Amino acid sequence: GESVGLHLPTLSVQEGDNSIINCAYSNSASDYFIWYKQESGKGPQFIIDIRSNMDKRQGQRVTVLLNKTVKHLSLQIAATQPGDSAVYFCAETGPTSGTYKYIFGTGTRLKVLA
Amino acid sequence: DGGITQSPKYLFRKEGQNVTLSCEQNLNHDAMYWYRQDPGQGLRLIYYSQIVNDFQKGDIAEGYSVSREKKESFPLTVTSAQKNPTAFYLCASRSGRGTDTQYFGPGTRLTVL
Repeated sequence: GESVGLHLPTLSVQEGDNSIINCAYSNSASDYFIWYKQESGKGPQFIIDIRSNMDKRQGQRVTVLLNKTVKHLSLQIAATQPGDSAVYFCAETGPTSGTYKYIFGTGTRLKVLA
Repeated sequence: DGGITQSPKYLFRKEGQNVTLSCEQNLNHDAMYWYRQDPGQGLRLIYYSQIVNDFQKGDIAEGYSVSREKKESFPLTVTSAQKNPTAFYLCASRSGRGTDTQYFGPGTRLTVL
């Protein structure tokens, strides 16, 4: 598989527990944020997004929290399952000279323990 | 992978050769992107295109070239001028109407021998 997860921070969670993955974003002008999941050897998959006019958004088993004051984003996964094992990273974007370029975090590896 | 295809999945190249990576999307998206992914680093933007027949350099464009002759296609050429081309290359697309989601293809792993 891909070695893109080398040297990443790792979060180990017991199966069935909740997981919280954090991300500090860089640009206070960013107005749209995405969490991606990337399994070894595959392209990133969209999980959930949030716009800057919200501070919380829920999906199926996932919740994203946005704290604009401290430029912090978190992803909560409820009842973590073995299939959740992957690298998770956040992305931010916003209008910059009329274009929308994305800035990506380096990611966190989630390991689910049976 | 949301209607974005990349081929081939694995590609081997000898030093000094150019190689072209394919990216096709059937999502009718206006914007397309090429990123490079290296271990322990965030995705780095190589080139992007917001409309057909137009593209802009990203943060690490040196040694790469692109074309956007059709809306569905955004091929990336890795030239011999790219000093460290071994990496995982990801293509992405976005509808193009404001801040909306960027979707990724499955990636191409390029190895220079």
